[in-house]
Amino acid sequence: DAKTTQPNSMESNEEEPVHLPCNHSTISGTDYIHWYRQLPSQGPEYVIHGLTSNVNNRMASLAIAEDRKSSTLILHRATLRDAAVYYCILREFDAGNNRKLIWGLGTSLAVNP
Amino acid sequence: NAGVTQTPKFQVLKTGQSMTLQCAQDMNHEYMSWYRQDPGMGLRLIHYSVGAGITDQGEVPNGYNVSRSTTEDFPLRLLSAAPSQTSVYFCASSFRGHQPQHFGDGTRLSIL
Repeated sequence: DAKTTQPNSMESNEEEPVHLPCNHSTISGTDYIHWYRQLPSQGPEYVIHGLTSNVNNRMASLAIAEDRKSSTLILHRATLRDAAVYYCILREFDAGNNRKLIWGLGTSLAVNP
Repeated sequence: NAGVTQTPKFQVLKTGQSMTLQCAQDMNHEYMSWYRQDPGMGLRLIHYSVGAGITDQGEVPNGYNVSRSTTEDFPLRLLSAAPSQTSVYFCASSFRGHQPQHFGDGTRLSIL
């Protein structure tokens, strides 16, 4: 199974941009890169996903390296509500050709007022 | 639109007891899955289903059974609870397997 590597924790100040890195050096050509976040005592929440091109949505941007071995989640202006654990996940095919998510340990983001 | 609903939210069991964790979604999603999350760890896939009548094992299926008789419901059964199954359990669904998943709020299960 392809794995992702993320820093254990990061810190940011409110209203500043945050760049959350993720390494996935063993990614295969069909693996999508997904990002979820989990607020305390809640279920994970979808943030963004992509395959090869950079992606933007109302929550964040996803920058994918040209060789796809790494990606960066960008929160353009951090708020206190963005304090969460952020998971970078690959979506892989199983033996039955169904996609499944392989979760790592995530990055715990603290946002200072 | 309730999304993904898990019941109960909390449960305490004794070793050897059995129980069923309920999961229901009202979004007509085909893909549903169960995860467990232990302290300081990411989610681990227990079982998943790509549609009614079809289930398959994830990373940590031992000690758990699932069935998918309807599109809406995907219950998780603990056959004989063990302390090692103390965890937070999350149910998730998506329209297709490759699309973003919607998660429930979790069931916090303690086994004594």
